[in-house]
Amino acid sequence: DAGVIQSPRHEVTEMGQEVTLRCKPISGHNSLFWYRQTMMRGLELLIYFNNNVPIDDSGMPEDRFSAKMPNASFSTLKIQPSEPRDSAVYFCASGTRRPDYEQYFGPGTRLTVT
Amino acid sequence: SQQGEEDPQALSIQEGENATMNCSYKTSINNLQWYRQNSGRGLVHLILIRSNEREKHSGRLRVTLDTSKKSSSLLITASRAADTASYFCATAPDSWGKLQFGAGTQVVVTP
Repeated sequence: DAGVIQSPRHEVTEMGQEVTLRCKPISGHNSLFWYRQTMMRGLELLIYFNNNVPIDDSGMPEDRFSAKMPNASFSTLKIQPSEPRDSAVYFCASGTRRPDYEQYFGPGTRLTVT
Repeated sequence: SQQGEEDPQALSIQEGENATMNCSYKTSINNLQWYRQNSGRGLVHLILIRSNEREKHSGRLRVTLDTSKKSSSLLITASRAADTASYFCATAPDSWGKLQFGAGTQVVVTP
């Protein structure tokens, strides 16, 4: 299996621009998670889906962030408009709820907003 | 918010020595997991221990869980330079698969 695939791996954009991060989970996994990692705040859960349905988006920082999962093999995290404080590494992870729901992480997207 | 808190924040040891790190958490859990993150990479699952288990082994890894103290420890025996990484504990507070990660312990193993 190819594992969780994220694109792009690196993104540099200017403040105010729209950014779209993409994730392809492992086939057969029915849970998908978006995280953000920074030195200051550590690893934060932004939103997670189960069977393509958003379960908890309480970690999404503000309305500028949105996430979708149109089907079992694709999810996007969009930031519009982007701000310098959004600079971070964004990880997507997938897993199953049973039996022990360990998560499999993608390589991450390093976002820099200037 | 972070559920788990790792201790120490950083650990520097020599190859062949054992590395021990601890994790404390606040609420009841279904299971507790440990992950490793190499620099610039995603997290990799290492080992999971269920709330009704007290100790678990996997290769050079040994995990203990004390639910009465809400704490866990990860022991890496006979460490290698390749074990240099950050180690995170994560707790599963419910059955949805959501995990809450601690801040991590940065381990450096020198040859």
